[in-house]
Amino acid sequence: AQRVTQPEKLLSVFKGAPVELKCNYSYSGSPELFWYVQYSRQRLQLLLRHISRESIKGFTADLNKGETSFHLKKPFAQEEDSAMYYCALSGLSGGSNYKLTFGKGTLLTVNP
Amino acid sequence: NAGVTQTPKFRILKIGQSMTLQCTQDMNHNYMYWYRQDPGMGLKLIYYSVGAGITDKGEVPNGYNVSRSTTEDFPLRLELAAPSQTSVYFCASSGLYEQYFGPGTRLTVT
Repeated sequence: AQRVTQPEKLLSVFKGAPVELKCNYSYSGSPELFWYVQYSRQRLQLLLRHISRESIKGFTADLNKGETSFHLKKPFAQEEDSAMYYCALSGLSGGSNYKLTFGKGTLLTVNP
Repeated sequence: NAGVTQTPKFRILKIGQSMTLQCTQDMNHNYMYWYRQDPGMGLKLIYYSVGAGITDKGEVPNGYNVSRSTTEDFPLRLELAAPSQTSVYFCASSGLYEQYFGPGTRLTVT
């Protein structure tokens, strides 16, 4: 069975501070990992996919298969980064986003 | 291009009542999904569809039914509403690289 764990329900940082949102997964094969974000009063949207190795809005995430982790990082947090962040896993390869398993989410608050 | 739309936005049901949550997408996606989001629990997959006429259960299908007669529409049916079905319901469809979500329906069963 596949599982995604986000150990922090809440994370609060000050503007300009580094931020790291943790995500660990459990899956026997080669997973595809994603970060989705939900800003206040907006719908859930894709932030980034591990397979594309992009940096979106200053966020990056590296898949560490040895530690089964996909932590989301940003060197300097901005107030507009305040949102709910979900880590998600797909058990199919090739960048597929089919049948995602979501973590419980981390609510990030960036204080001025 | 409206993306994924859901109706209604809010609904209050009495225990035992029935209702259908509507979901429509205009992106010609074959894959569609229904999730429920409970506080502190993330999103859990209720049902999904890989194309018109094909549906399958997700992680939490009990108490729900779906149909997929067209590519565009994927309604979710609650037959006998129970307080445990109080939640926010999200519909989504899959593009090549991401899932596109609707705005959600907030349902309260009392």
